[in-house]
Amino acid sequence: GAGVSQSPRYKVAKRGQDVALRCDPISGHVSLFWYQQALGQGPEFLTYFQNEAQLDKSGLPSDRFFAERPEGSVSTLKIQRTQQEDSAVYLCASRGSSYNEQFFGPGTRLTVL
Amino acid sequence: EDQVTQSPEALRLQEGESSSLNCSYTVSGLRGLFWYRQDPGKGPEFLFTLYSAGEEKEKERLKATLTKKESFLHITAPKPEDSATYLCAVHLQGAQKLVFGQGTRLTINP
Repeated sequence: GAGVSQSPRYKVAKRGQDVALRCDPISGHVSLFWYQQALGQGPEFLTYFQNEAQLDKSGLPSDRFFAERPEGSVSTLKIQRTQQEDSAVYLCASRGSSYNEQFFGPGTRLTVL
Repeated sequence: EDQVTQSPEALRLQEGESSSLNCSYTVSGLRGLFWYRQDPGKGPEFLFTLYSAGEEKEKERLKATLTKKESFLHITAPKPEDSATYLCAVHLQGAQKLVFGQGTRLTINP
């Protein structure tokens, strides 16, 4: 079956621009996670949704980062007024209700110039 | 503070040369420990979940083990296609997120 998909795969933004990153989770998965991965590092947690409810946003680095999942399926991570330090790979993961494993998408590589 | 540390950071082996990767953790409460494989330009691919000390899981040339303080990923007679970054992550009590180590970059030379 289809896995987690993310778009775009690559995004180049000028400093100060707003960007929106999309995640399509595995069909039927109630839990959705966003992670940020810097080059050569492990992923770091940003935020967590259960259905449409954002239950944990403790990892969002600043109020420039905003995530939503209005219908409990597709999610969008928005970054306003991008800065160079926002350059990273943004990973989305989803998880079903009957197991603990998170399944990851291919990521979006964001480069801020 | 919850912490996950992987060692070594990088490892080069010859094809067929067995070895182990280490993941040590200091956490307030463990619900599970996960191993993932990540190829360049791709997202992490799930390998194993371990829940309690003494548990072992195997898949092809890989075997994961868990103690109260660390986990090992044993690679037996590796092949070049096993080259990747291997990530471990812990699922904490009372939380939904995973806390990852920094990964071990494994290279298998033919």
